[in-house]
Amino acid sequence: QQPVQSPQAVILREGEDAVINCSSSKALYSVHWYRQKHGEAPVFLMILLKGGEQKGHEKISASFNEKKQQSSLYLTASQLSYSGTYFCGTVWNSGGSNYKLTFGKGTLLTVNP
Amino acid sequence: EAGVVQSPRYKIIEKKQPVAFWCNPISGHNTLYWYLQNLGQGPELLIRYENEEAVDDSQLPKDRFSAERLKGVDSTLKIQPAELGDSAVYLCASSLGLWGAHQETQYFGPGTRLLVL
Repeated sequence: QQPVQSPQAVILREGEDAVINCSSSKALYSVHWYRQKHGEAPVFLMILLKGGEQKGHEKISASFNEKKQQSSLYLTASQLSYSGTYFCGTVWNSGGSNYKLTFGKGTLLTVNP
Repeated sequence: EAGVVQSPRYKIIEKKQPVAFWCNPISGHNTLYWYLQNLGQGPELLIRYENEEAVDDSQLPKDRFSAERLKGVDSTLKIQPAELGDSAVYLCASSLGLWGAHQETQYFGPGTRLLVL
């Protein structure tokens, strides 16, 4: 049930763009994106809902393809502060009215000057 | 607004010893989550509380782990006895609404880093 993230790691220069992908084998109801800096708490970035509604960050965008059970996070004109590990969390139905949120292993993003 | 508070931040114990972690969620948040995060991995849910009720503890190793959320506010996670494999970061998170809508933003605390020797 754990979603697969790609790439595992990416190194950018400030101002460059990056895409982080998240795919699941389960039918998804929503996708949550978080960023975690080393030794710190994961910080909420965005939720993508079935039907295309997005809630979250103003400088980072994302897409959610329900049919393909995939989501992508788009980081444009990256800043040094974007460095960290990005986790996607996928919400799937485990039976009845039970919904589970399962996080991927993360993508380590490093932005250099 | 204060965030999720956890203590202690670091804990070193010997195997077979007990250990407890404390979490104070954001004021007014109804749902509280405990996660386990191993190095290089994403958070894994251990238990979810809605108010004072544990509504999902399916991933909690009940032979050695226990948790409580008294009065629907603070929560404590306990391990007794601790094993070497329990070394990890234990994260607490809270959200305003109930999980049923699965659209709730979770706010994480800084975690407790446990090392079992």
